[in-house]
Amino acid sequence: NAGVMQNPRHLVRRRGQEARLRCSPMKGHSHVYWYRQLPEEGLKFMVYLQKENIIDESGMPKERFSAEFPKEGPSILRIQQVVRGDSAAYFCASSPPLAGADTQYFGPGTRLTVL
Amino acid sequence: GENVEQHPSTLSVQEGDSAVIKCTYSDSASNYFPWYKQELGKRPQLIIDIRSNVGEKKDQRIAVTLNKTAKHFSLHITETQPEDSAVYFCAASIRGGSEKLVFGKGTKLTVNP
Repeated sequence: NAGVMQNPRHLVRRRGQEARLRCSPMKGHSHVYWYRQLPEEGLKFMVYLQKENIIDESGMPKERFSAEFPKEGPSILRIQQVVRGDSAAYFCASSPPLAGADTQYFGPGTRLTVL
Repeated sequence: GENVEQHPSTLSVQEGDSAVIKCTYSDSASNYFPWYKQELGKRPQLIIDIRSNVGEKKDQRIAVTLNKTAKHFSLHITETQPEDSAVYFCAASIRGGSEKLVFGKGTKLTVNP
């Protein structure tokens, strides 16, 4: 049973470009969470999605950031017009379709570097 | 919203000693408290968790205690080994509610041989 998959593992973008980060949850999991980790810091919640629905986006910046989890395919975190401050590790986590999130399992992360 | 404070930020112990990391949370509705271990450049890995209907949980050398009244919970690692060296994060969430994990800032544990 494969774990949570993320790609790419490393992404380099120049200021103003777009970054697309992908997350495939564990088999059987339908809840996906995105977190951002700045160097030497803890993880900060960004968004919580279920298939075709955004449940909680209270941690998402109001501009340039968007997320989706379509019926088919991976969840995508999209950052438009990236700036240097977007450089961070972005982790997604997934959990089973139970009432209540229960255990969240993390993917290996995408390390975004903005030049 | 929920706020989680974690102490200490760094902890250095001798191999074989015990290590204790403490966290406090602000939202009394929080009912799920996981601990994650993160090695450099790797993903956070769940090592133990506790729910609010339990006061203590053990798994071999690792234990977690929860005091709901005081809104704090602690991670205890006994007989530490060099491979326990990592950054440890506590977190809190509301199961059946917002579900998101609110993390502490982490404790860098170094176990010296």
